[in-house]
Amino acid sequence: SAVISQKPSRDICQRGTSLTIQCQVDSQVTMMFWYRQQPGQSLTLIATANQGSEATYESGFVIDKFPISRPNLTFSTLTVSNMSPEDSSIYLCSARPAGEYTEAFFGQGTRLTVV
Amino acid sequence: QKEVEQNSGPLSVPEGAIASLNCTYSDRGSQSFFWYRQYSGKSPELIMFIYSNGDKEDGRFTAQLNKASQYVSLLIRDSQPSDSATYLCAVNSGGSYIPTFGRGTSLIVHP
Repeated sequence: SAVISQKPSRDICQRGTSLTIQCQVDSQVTMMFWYRQQPGQSLTLIATANQGSEATYESGFVIDKFPISRPNLTFSTLTVSNMSPEDSSIYLCSARPAGEYTEAFFGQGTRLTVV
Repeated sequence: QKEVEQNSGPLSVPEGAIASLNCTYSDRGSQSFFWYRQYSGKSPELIMFIYSNGDKEDGRFTAQLNKASQYVSLLIRDSQPSDSATYLCAVNSGGSYIPTFGRGTSLIVHP
């Protein structure tokens, strides 16, 4: 299994500012993902973080708003840019090793509140 | 569009009873299936996985898979209040590295 460290665990930010969330995996993994989870809701995939290339964004999410970096196979960042109260949510980093029969692991999550 | 469907619940069961959580999926090419538990305010944690048709038991948990019916379930025996959480079903489909998650079923085990 993989251990994922995500930070910060929570933050309160002013609207219009940006926050960068970091995700560190204790082993090399093929796939890294970023999810958003509203209270009481399920996971919504924001993007797949690709090592050495631009992230692949899901419908409704754009790079200007959620720039993602993945400089190597163990680290990724998600930035929430120009924040508004609607961005208040839990953001989760996830990683999955290569292979059809592998499970996804999750970081502890970042609880973001925008005021 | 690959879909994973779960009843959102809440499913309420008394302590000591069997809780049955169900999940259906749309992609017949799906190969591996996972159940995650998520406590309120926490991240999902893996509790079971199953790849082959039939039952797989791990302590109080049993996962059941029926690929012909595209159905996977999780049984929790001797349910405890500490089992109260949201249970997410996830499916790895052939040809995609992105797991597809269901919306989750909220389970409440009352004393």
